[in-house]
Amino acid sequence: AQSVTQLDSQVPVFEEAPVELRCNYSSSVSVYLFWYVQYPNQGLQLLLKYLSGSTLVKGINGFEAEFNKSQTSFHLRKPSVHISDTAEYFCAVISYSSASKIIFGSGTRLSIRP
Amino acid sequence: DGGITQSPKYLFRKEGQNVTLSCEQNLNHDAMYWYRQDPGQGLRLIYYSQIVNDFQKGDIAEGYSVSREKKESFPLTVTSAQKNPTAFYLCASRQGEDSGNTIYFGEGSWLTVV
Repeated sequence: AQSVTQLDSQVPVFEEAPVELRCNYSSSVSVYLFWYVQYPNQGLQLLLKYLSGSTLVKGINGFEAEFNKSQTSFHLRKPSVHISDTAEYFCAVISYSSASKIIFGSGTRLSIRP
Repeated sequence: DGGITQSPKYLFRKEGQNVTLSCEQNLNHDAMYWYRQDPGQGLRLIYYSQIVNDFQKGDIAEGYSVSREKKESFPLTVTSAQKNPTAFYLCASRQGEDSGNTIYFGEGSWLTVV
């Protein structure tokens, strides 16, 4: 069975500092990987996705993520955060063999301190 | 603009009432989903539909019902059997496999029992 683990429920960071939000998954088949951002009282917005090819994926708002197949990880990074990055971030996985089943992580709340 | 429209944004329900949340998409996606999100929590799947006139129960389907009579529309009814319906409800649709399986979300609907 597939699963997604976001290792940190909350990550406090000072403004302009770098940040890494961790995501690990388990699956016996190949997967598509996604990161979403949710601002308060809004739906989820796609940040970036990994389908195939280069393992380093760049997304919107200066975020990037690296797919590591051997460690089954897809960590999200940003070199310098801004107050406006305060939000909830969700990692998600879809397997090649069962695209109807989307597995979301439990989310990581990123709070930026001035 | 293409997207997913959920309405209403805020809805109040009296005890014992059924209410219906609307979800319309003009992305031409076959697959659509309903999720429930409680404050500070992740997403839980209520129902999903992979094609018109077909839908499957998710992890927390009890007390909810759906229909999929048109490709564009996937309304969710919260019945009086749902004992704790106060939550944020998110509708989503998914691209086909040949387009990358990306999931797109609506802006969400808040349901409160009064």
